[in-house]
Amino acid sequence: DQQVKQNSPSLSVQEGRISILNCDYTNSMFDYFLWYKKYPAEGPTFLISISSIKDKNEDGRFTVFLNKSAKHLSLHIVPSQPGDSAVYFCAAIIQGAQKLVFGQGTRLTINP
Amino acid sequence: GAVVSQHPSRVICKSGTSVKIECRSLDFQATTMFWYRQFPKQSLMLMATSNEGSKATYEQGVEKDKFLINHASLTLSTLTVTSAHPEDSSFYICSGQGTYEQYFGPGTRLTVT
Repeated sequence: DQQVKQNSPSLSVQEGRISILNCDYTNSMFDYFLWYKKYPAEGPTFLISISSIKDKNEDGRFTVFLNKSAKHLSLHIVPSQPGDSAVYFCAAIIQGAQKLVFGQGTRLTINP
Repeated sequence: GAVVSQHPSRVICKSGTSVKIECRSLDFQATTMFWYRQFPKQSLMLMATSNEGSKATYEQGVEKDKFLINHASLTLSTLTVTSAHPEDSSFYICSGQGTYEQYFGPGTRLTVT
């Protein structure tokens, strides 16, 4: 039962363009969402998050959009840089609970 | 962000032996720590939730007698893989609970020969 889904296993984007990573969820109880970035053989690092009371959160080049009615969130990276090449995981949590539920990850490759 | 360390970063052991992995929160106190496992090209799989001073809560399908977790202090949790077998070879990652975010360690690559 995959409650958080990232349907694109990989994405390739040209440097300087926008990268859009998508994530869908099924559990309407989730009320807080996070994006993590992971390099090979390293632990994930926190990127950006959004509460379900918002539909957008921006931090520098990173913006997360949340569409609750569609149970969909997306991460926009603009402009994309070579150092952004990594695997990106979206995660969801029910506030007050402890467990993060992760998607399968999307491997982003930024081409020079 | 908060820092979590893991030791060792890589370990190779023989089948049948036990291996201990340490997870430390360096600049914050983590009442709750989590242990994950990641297979190649797959998502992070939560193995167990470790609360300081109490028994760990294991996810369905994870053998608690095989994966022993101890959370003796607010800054240290350990995972011991007992009687390791080649199928236990994996990338093990711990995290410490922040307000909402979890802060992850760098991971430990376990190879069982």
